[in-house]
Amino acid sequence: AQTVTQSQPEMSVQEAETVTLSCTYDTSESNYYLFWYKQPPSRQMILVIRQEAYKQQNATENRFSVNFQKAAKSFSLKISDSQLGDTAMYFCAFGQYSGAGSYQLTFGKGTKLSVIP
Amino acid sequence: DTEVTQTPKHLVMGMTNKKSLKCEQHMGHRAMYWYKQKAKKPPELMFVYSYEKLSINESVPSRFSPECPNSSLLNLHLHALQPEDSALYLCASSQISRTSGYQETQYFGPGTRLLVL
Repeated sequence: AQTVTQSQPEMSVQEAETVTLSCTYDTSESNYYLFWYKQPPSRQMILVIRQEAYKQQNATENRFSVNFQKAAKSFSLKISDSQLGDTAMYFCAFGQYSGAGSYQLTFGKGTKLSVIP
Repeated sequence: DTEVTQTPKHLVMGMTNKKSLKCEQHMGHRAMYWYKQKAKKPPELMFVYSYEKLSINESVPSRFSPECPNSSLLNLHLHALQPEDSALYLCASSQISRTSGYQETQYFGPGTRLLVL
């Protein structure tokens, strides 16, 4: 079974600063995907960024980027130029094909990020 | 368009009531998911439908009954729920492509906040 660990229950960052959220995972599989989802107080889960395990290049999406270290099984999220709207719970998730065309996600426990004006 | 809609947004029901949650997507996704999320916890997978067939049931009590009437709709029928079933219920969908490979990104709806009295 896969496990996902987010070791930082809560973090805070000043507006316009940079913050990095940590995530480690454990798996024996070679083909998988990794995701960061954001859940603001409105409670909708929003995809932030995804990374295919077979790609060495780190994914980037505007102010969001990841540091994917496959050998170390580490997948951290860097948020640059933090904005007040980035305040949310951030979940790291491991995705693996579960048969019949669907993917199963295993979530970490989340990191609550607060952006301070 | 990556929109998944869920109705109702809020639901209050007694333990003897029968109610249904509805999820809809028009992205052509053929995998749909139900999750349960308690406060300050990550989502927990309940059911997965692939090509309108139930492919995963994570040992969910029978008082929860899923239904997938067509490729765009996913329902969750509720009957004789317990107060501990109060939670946010999230629906998600993902694409399945026979030509370009399986698409694994799950897109979530805004959720239905359920309170069982």
